[in-house]
Amino acid sequence: AQKITQTQPGMFVQEKEAVTLDCTYDTSDPSYGLFWYKQPSSGEMIFLIYQGSYDQQNATEGRYSLNFQKARKSANLVISASQLGDSAMYFCAMREYVTGNQFYFGTGTSLTVIP
Amino acid sequence: GAVVSQHPSWVICKSGTSVKIECRSLDFQATTMFWYRQFPKQSLMLMATSNEGSKATYEQGVEKDKFLINHASLTLSTLTVTSAHPEDSSFYICSARESGQGTDTQYFGPGTRLTVL
Repeated sequence: AQKITQTQPGMFVQEKEAVTLDCTYDTSDPSYGLFWYKQPSSGEMIFLIYQGSYDQQNATEGRYSLNFQKARKSANLVISASQLGDSAMYFCAMREYVTGNQFYFGTGTSLTVIP
Repeated sequence: GAVVSQHPSWVICKSGTSVKIECRSLDFQATTMFWYRQFPKQSLMLMATSNEGSKATYEQGVEKDKFLINHASLTLSTLTVTSAHPEDSSFYICSARESGQGTDTQYFGPGTRLTVL
């Protein structure tokens, strides 16, 4: 089974609007971390936001927030007030802290911000 | 924020030659560094995990003798693609995990684009 699932291969959003990128995960570990990365066309990976499985509150970093629903095993990324520079590939990732140290990445969502 | 650099950013080589890629953590010490490979429009594939001063742990299906990894110091890890072939052409990305920090975050390098002719 896929550890990380991103069901939206491509998304479009109007500039200044909010957009939600979906991510679901699969783990039996009691302790894990969830990450979102942005990859512009240049290829570098930019860390955006982190959510620990025991964190009570949803993580927020500027215009990024993580909608963490533990029971549903989802960790959707919300980008508010989209900007043209937000156009990029977005990867959801998970790390299991009990069974191993490997990162599991989703297949990514390509976000295009329309002026 | 923490910065990870990779050198070179791109390289073109002839088939059969070896290529070395460096990954450096510029402003922090990294006990663990990771090497990924990305194929066009696909997700990252973890190749190996390297810990400073010890042998790298390779993922299943990754040839240890072909992709040599050395993590000689807390700020430097190298990936050497030996006897490169056109199928090795890809985007290689490293990441480093900061030592002794409460949060668990990997910082990624900008990547190295390898083209084997």
